[in-house]
Amino acid sequence: GAVVSQHPSRVICKSGTSVKIECRSLDFQATTMFWYRQFPKKSLMLMATSNEGSKATYEQGVEKDKFLINHASLTLSTLTVTSAHPEDSSFYICSARAGTSGSLPYEQYFGPGTRLTVT
Amino acid sequence: SQQGEEDPQALSIQEGENATMNCSYKTSINNLQWYRQNSGRGLVHLILIRSNEREKHSGRLRVTLDTSKKSSSLLITASRAADTASYFCATVLFSGGYNKLIFGAGTRLAVHP
Repeated sequence: GAVVSQHPSRVICKSGTSVKIECRSLDFQATTMFWYRQFPKKSLMLMATSNEGSKATYEQGVEKDKFLINHASLTLSTLTVTSAHPEDSSFYICSARAGTSGSLPYEQYFGPGTRLTVT
Repeated sequence: SQQGEEDPQALSIQEGENATMNCSYKTSINNLQWYRQNSGRGLVHLILIRSNEREKHSGRLRVTLDTSKKSSSLLITASRAADTASYFCATVLFSGGYNKLIFGAGTRLAVHP
């Protein structure tokens, strides 16, 4: 149980185009979803947190107009990288948590990640 | 990293040896978690240690926690080539109305046959 999927697993796009990454909780309802970004050989940096039906909360330094997050249902969140540039190339990982914000923190499940390459 | 540092950043050992990775964090915690990430893959939760615990075991994994020093260590005993991965500690930060899992810098472990 508690599987999180991401689609696509890899995407290559041209500079200036937009890319959408989907994150789905397959067997549970995720009230909160998180998006992380990871550069090669580096740690995961939290980009934003979203609750179903409300606007995402972005971490300091993350451009909300560039990284659009939609959490329209309890099983789906999307991250759209708008007007992508080569510096946006990275590994994007989503994570989903069931229950309320008071849930035990280890009940956070991670997707397999999406490798974005902007040429 | 957003939370703290891990050392070493990279560790190379032979199969059968023990691997010790350390993690330091900045804020007060309720618990600390360790995750594993194979290259280019998602994260796998390994173990959670609560702030009132000093040591915890799971199979070949041993985790210690020293809240006075804001540090934790992960020991993998009798390492195998399949243990090759990156290992991250993570703590929960309550911010903006959410409990957010924040990761350390990670240690890249290479276990050679």
